[in-house]
Amino acid sequence: AQSVTQPDIHITVSEGASLELRCNYSYGATPYLFWYVQSPGQGLQLLLKYFSGDTLVQGIKGFEAEFKRSQSSFNLRKPSVHWSDAAEYFCAVGDFGNEKLTFGTGTRLTIIP
Amino acid sequence: NAGVMQNPRHLVRRRGQEARLRCSPMKGHSHVYWYRQLPEEGLKFMVYLQKENIIDESGMPKERFSAEFPKEGPSILRIQQVVRGDSAAYFCASSPPGAASYEQYFGPGTRLTVT
Repeated sequence: AQSVTQPDIHITVSEGASLELRCNYSYGATPYLFWYVQSPGQGLQLLLKYFSGDTLVQGIKGFEAEFKRSQSSFNLRKPSVHWSDAAEYFCAVGDFGNEKLTFGTGTRLTIIP
Repeated sequence: NAGVMQNPRHLVRRRGQEARLRCSPMKGHSHVYWYRQLPEEGLKFMVYLQKENIIDESGMPKERFSAEFPKEGPSILRIQQVVRGDSAAYFCASSPPGAASYEQYFGPGTRLTVT
């Protein structure tokens, strides 16, 4: 069965600093990978996705993620965070032929001035 | 183009009552998914539906929970005889038809509180 691990429950970074959120997945074939962001009390917004092709994918709000098959990872990065990036971030893996998403437990991002 | 709509946004029920959660997918989307998010946890898949069909209900509790997506109208997630453990945020997502469309768009969620 597929699974997603987000090892960092909570991360705090200074505004303007770079960010990397970790995501590791377990899946037999080539996965479909996603990063979503959830602001307090809100639904989930898709930041970016990987289906195939270029392993470095660009998303909205200046985020990018890199798929590394050898490490089973799909880490999310941003070169300079803004206070508005404070939110919960979820990594998810899709199951080809099944279409349900399996989510990690999330990483809460706090931004300090 | 309106996004996925869910109502109500907040729902309070006493133990033993029924909860009905509604989801209207994005225009042109024919696939609907329901997920549940317990406090401090990620989202857990519950059920995947297409119009008038349940495709995958492997994440649905065996009792008290049911879902439908009729030919006309919104998708409904129904919880009978609610218990305190049903308190959670319930999210609906939709995606367009197509063999490789795994991009799901989420609604704002319904936060169910059972007292």
